[in-house]
Amino acid sequence: GIQVEQSPPDLILQEGANSTLRCNFSDSVNNLQWFHQNPWGQLINLFYIPSGTKQNGRLSATTVATERYSLLYISSSQTTDSGVYFCAVSGGSQGNLIFGKGTKLSVKP
Amino acid sequence: NAGVTQTPKFQVLKTGQSMTLQCAQDMNHNSMYWYRQDPGMGLRLIYYSASEGTTDKGEVPNGYNVSRLNKREFSLRLESAAPSQTSVYFCASSYYRTSGTSTDTQYFGPGTRLTVL
Repeated sequence: GIQVEQSPPDLILQEGANSTLRCNFSDSVNNLQWFHQNPWGQLINLFYIPSGTKQNGRLSATTVATERYSLLYISSSQTTDSGVYFCAVSGGSQGNLIFGKGTKLSVKP
Repeated sequence: NAGVTQTPKFQVLKTGQSMTLQCAQDMNHNSMYWYRQDPGMGLRLIYYSASEGTTDKGEVPNGYNVSRLNKREFSLRLESAAPSQTSVYFCASSYYRTSGTSTDTQYFGPGTRLTVL
C-alpha cells in the first residue's frame, strides 16, 4: 500500500515565525488532505489538494503529484496553530485515507 | 448542517463487554469510514462503506463489526472489548465518484474516546 512520511516529526516555533511541513508519498494519489488536530483532539480540514496550490489566510499548500510530495506553509504563526498536522492520501478505488504520523507543532508566545 | 456526529463522546468498558459506536452524517455522502487513533500515531482505517449496503475491511478490522444502517448512519460494534481496543475512534464521510475513481474532501466527526479496563 501507499506509504506516507511526514517531516519534521516535531517543530517548535516562536510566535510570528514561518514554517514548512512536508509530506512524501510513495505512489500516485487521487486525494490528498491536510488536517490540523487541535489540543482537544478535533480534526480540522485544512486543504483538499491532490495537486496544485491553494491558500487560505496564513496557510497555503502545494502538491506536486508527479514528484509525490506536498508542502504545507504556515506564515506568521500564532499560538493557536499549535497541535498536530496530518497529511493523508488516498490512491485506491474506495477513497479511504492513509495517514502519516503527523508533525507536532508548538508555537511559543 | 451538523456534519458528522458521533455518540458517545467518552466510554469506559470492562474487558469482555460489548458496545456500539454510532455515527451519522447529514451531507448526503455515499461513503463512510471508521478509523482509530492510538497515542502518537495517525489514524488507521478499521472498516469502510463505499455505498449504502456495502461494507469492507480496512487495515485493522479484527475485533470489530460494522453496520451501514442507511445512507446517513454507520455504526461500529465491539462484541467483546479488549484493552488493546483502548483508542480514540473517528467516523468520517465523503462523496465518492464512481466514475473516475476519485473522492471529495473527507469530513471527520469529533471522535469517541474509549477506554477498556
